[in-house]
Amino acid sequence: DQQVKQNSPSLSVQEGRISILNCDYTNSMFDYFLWYKKYPAEGPTFLISISSIKDKNEDGRFTVFLNKSAKHLSLHIVPSQPGDSAVYFCAASDAGGTSYGKLTFGQGTILTVHP
Amino acid sequence: NAGVTQTPKFQVLKTGQSMTLQCAQDMNHNSMYWYRQDPGMGLRLIYYSASEGTTDKGEVPNGYNVSRLNKREFSLRLESAAPSQTSVYFCASRLVSGELFFGEGSRLTVL
Repeated sequence: DQQVKQNSPSLSVQEGRISILNCDYTNSMFDYFLWYKKYPAEGPTFLISISSIKDKNEDGRFTVFLNKSAKHLSLHIVPSQPGDSAVYFCAASDAGGTSYGKLTFGQGTILTVHP
Repeated sequence: NAGVTQTPKFQVLKTGQSMTLQCAQDMNHNSMYWYRQDPGMGLRLIYYSASEGTTDKGEVPNGYNVSRLNKREFSLRLESAAPSQTSVYFCASRLVSGELFFGEGSRLTVL
């Protein structure tokens, strides 16, 4: 039972354009959502997060949108740069429960930004 | 540099052999985690330790054991390795803000 799903295995975007990565979840207890970025042979690094009390969080070129009714979140990268090429993981947790910070991850989306 | 350190970075085992993956963090975090990453599966939680002295199973604990040796160290042991345990293993610790801070990973191949 995949509670967090990233249905697009890959995304290809031209430099300077917008990249939109999508994520769906099924567990209504999730109330904290994160995006991680991973380069080959490195560990995942935290990018941006959003609490369920918000519907948008912005940090520089990165914006995360949360639609609780649809159980959907998205990551927008504007403008996209070649250095953004990486695997992006969506993650969720029940921060207010007894999950002890456990994160449930999606399968990942490979983003390629072409110069 | 502050962070999460994993050893070894690479290991090849034969089926049935045992080994321990070591993890240490120097950020004074209470909670630590072991995940595995497989193609098309994302990262799946194996075991976690909410605080020193406690450990609990995650999503895929079968075939693994863990030890929270002290606040800094959290090790993952494979008692009898199987080819299905070929994977990249990541240790992480949890920041107060809620996100996890990951090590660089340990790539394990079981022949």
